[in-house]
Amino acid sequence: KAGVTQTPRYLIKTRGQQVTLSCSPISGHRSVSWYQQTPGQGLQFLFEYFSETQRNKGNFPGRFSGRQFSNSRSEMNVSTLELGDSALYLCASSLGGTSGVYNEQFFGPGTRLTVL
Amino acid sequence: AQSVTQPDIHITVSEGASLELRCNYSYGATPYLFWYVQSPGQGLQLLLKYFSGDTLVQGIKGFEAEFKRSQSSFNLRKPSVHWSDAAEYFCAVGALSFYGGSQGNLIFGKGTKLSVKP
Repeated sequence: KAGVTQTPRYLIKTRGQQVTLSCSPISGHRSVSWYQQTPGQGLQFLFEYFSETQRNKGNFPGRFSGRQFSNSRSEMNVSTLELGDSALYLCASSLGGTSGVYNEQFFGPGTRLTVL
Repeated sequence: AQSVTQPDIHITVSEGASLELRCNYSYGATPYLFWYVQSPGQGLQLLLKYFSGDTLVQGIKGFEAEFKRSQSSFNLRKPSVHWSDAAEYFCAVGALSFYGGSQGNLIFGKGTKLSVKP
């Protein structure tokens, strides 16, 4: 069974630009969560999507948004990039039938975003 | 607010030695606790989890963890470390919703980087 895939793996952008990251969950998984990982703040939850609906959201500004498609693939978008947005963005998928951490989350390798 | 503390940023152990990584959590009820490992360039892999029941849980790769409610701790242990265990380890707790139910996301500690000496 293929794991969680994220594209692209590496990305370099400049301040003020916008970026879209993609995540393909494990087949059959309907929940996709996004996390930001930085050396200073560690791993922080961005949002979770289930059946094309945002079910849960972390404490990030509105510049960070996401969506989920009918095939469970998810994208996250960051507009008006800032230097502080440089991070590893991790996507995790789970079966997600009910909200909760009972279903194991499987993480992708991440997208490394560098903002210059 | 829920939080997870991993007091040790970096630990170095010799190959074959025992290992204990510390994790303390702040939580109002029975927590859902996890340990993940991240190798360079990789995503996170679940080592083990605790939801309820036996407070000593076994995981993959020979790891185990013990839940101690009185100490608000969930320390990870391994009796004999292998060079391939060098990685960063994260303790996490399942977030609670405003109403007390599981919210579906994880709150992570800052991680402990493990180096293994030959």
